Amino acid sequence: DSGVTQTPKHLITATGQRVTLRCSPRSGDLSVYWYQQSLDQGLQFLIQYYNGEERAKGNILERFSAQQFPDLHSELNLSSLELGDSALYFCASIPVTVNTEAFFGQGTRLTVV
Amino acid sequence: GESVGLHLPTLSVQEGDNSIINCAYSNSASDYFIWYKQESGKGPQFIIDIRSNMDKRQGQRVTVLLNKTVKHLSLQIAATQPGDSAVYFCAENGGGSNYKLTFGKGTLLTVNP
Repeated sequence: DSGVTQTPKHLITATGQRVTLRCSPRSGDLSVYWYQQSLDQGLQFLIQYYNGEERAKGNILERFSAQQFPDLHSELNLSSLELGDSALYFCASIPVTVNTEAFFGQGTRLTVV
Repeated sequence: GESVGLHLPTLSVQEGDNSIINCAYSNSASDYFIWYKQESGKGPQFIIDIRSNMDKRQGQRVTVLLNKTVKHLSLQIAATQPGDSAVYFCAENGGGSNYKLTFGKGTLLTVNP
């Protein structure tokens, strides 16, 4: 158990809909990262938050947004969903210090039908 | 641009053999590298890391080698076991003051009994 909790584990929704994925980082970790993993892709970095503030953006679509709350949990919002958004979405957290391992949650499998 | 790639997408070995998984990176500013293992349906799990001031690091049954001259990283698994079957990813931090892991596409390791 990595200590990073993601909910829900599975999500099936229709095209055009909006969903929210939730992540609780490890206790004490201030940084949260979101990654997308499609069938034929590696882990694509989406966005990073540090102590409530956006720190870096990767290949995140405009239809996607995220935030980190005062209790440090984070939510990834995906809207106007398309079939191609079907993927595994992972959240990871790291302690305050840099250059250390990132701990990953078990992921949310999103299926858009 | 930044990229991390793997030479072999699949690797099949016999139980008890040693496995070597390779990775090339292109960002010479990266100063921290991690190998992750991902089993089916699970999030990536940390295996071993290495900083750029080292060229070799050993763990339990695993060794990571870093060749900065040719920007090459490898993971060696000794006496490979069926439980080692998984997808293995290398990741680099991209250097700089902000920690962001960039992942390669992964290598599927299959261990035959």
